[in-house]
Amino acid sequence: GQQLNQSPQSMFIQEGEDVSMNCTSSSIFNTWLWYKQDPGEGPVLLIALYKAGELTSNGRLTAQFGTTRKDSFLNISASIPSDVGIYFCAGPSINTGTASKLTFGTGTRLQVTL
Amino acid sequence: DAGVIQSPRHEVTEMGQEVTLRCKPISGHNSLFWYRQTMMRGLELLIYFNNNVPIDDSGMPEDRFSAKMPNASFSTLKIQPSEPRDSAVYFCASSRDYSPLHFGNGTRLTVT
Repeated sequence: GQQLNQSPQSMFIQEGEDVSMNCTSSSIFNTWLWYKQDPGEGPVLLIALYKAGELTSNGRLTAQFGTTRKDSFLNISASIPSDVGIYFCAGPSINTGTASKLTFGTGTRLQVTL
Repeated sequence: DAGVIQSPRHEVTEMGQEVTLRCKPISGHNSLFWYRQTMMRGLELLIYFNNNVPIDDSGMPEDRFSAKMPNASFSTLKIQPSEPRDSAVYFCASSRDYSPLHFGNGTRLTVT
């Protein structure tokens, strides 16, 4: 089956630092999604990417759809304490026929220290 | 807008008991998904419905698990009998056509 590997698995950074994380797939994706999960809550959509090479921003977050269609990147600029959480990439296979049946990555756990 | 609503938020039960988890999707969404999250396996898709019809239940771990969607505004995930290894957080999510999923806040299940 499909696998989405995220790196790093966890990050400990200081407030104000920039963060970069990535997600790689064993197969091609036609959509990439980035979600954030706060403790005790469900994942919340941050950014959706629909085209290879696409670069999309949402406030301090910027995500890119890799040109090979097998990877994606998420950057957070000037991190703040509320950025703490687990970040997941997700995507449907090009063969599933629906954009909503998602495979989720292994997650990157972000900790921000003051 | 009300989001995806799941109940209960927490469930503690003894091995062998029946457990029923409930989900109300976002109004107007026509796809509903049940996911399970554990430390070991991450987020796993169990089953999903489109227009109230089960489309893919290949992720349902065993016959002890069953899911229904009797109408567009309600779904249940049932485990009977429950086992300790079923302990996890179960998420329901919904979407409209091909839009990204919106998740509920989950049900944390503990089976002792």
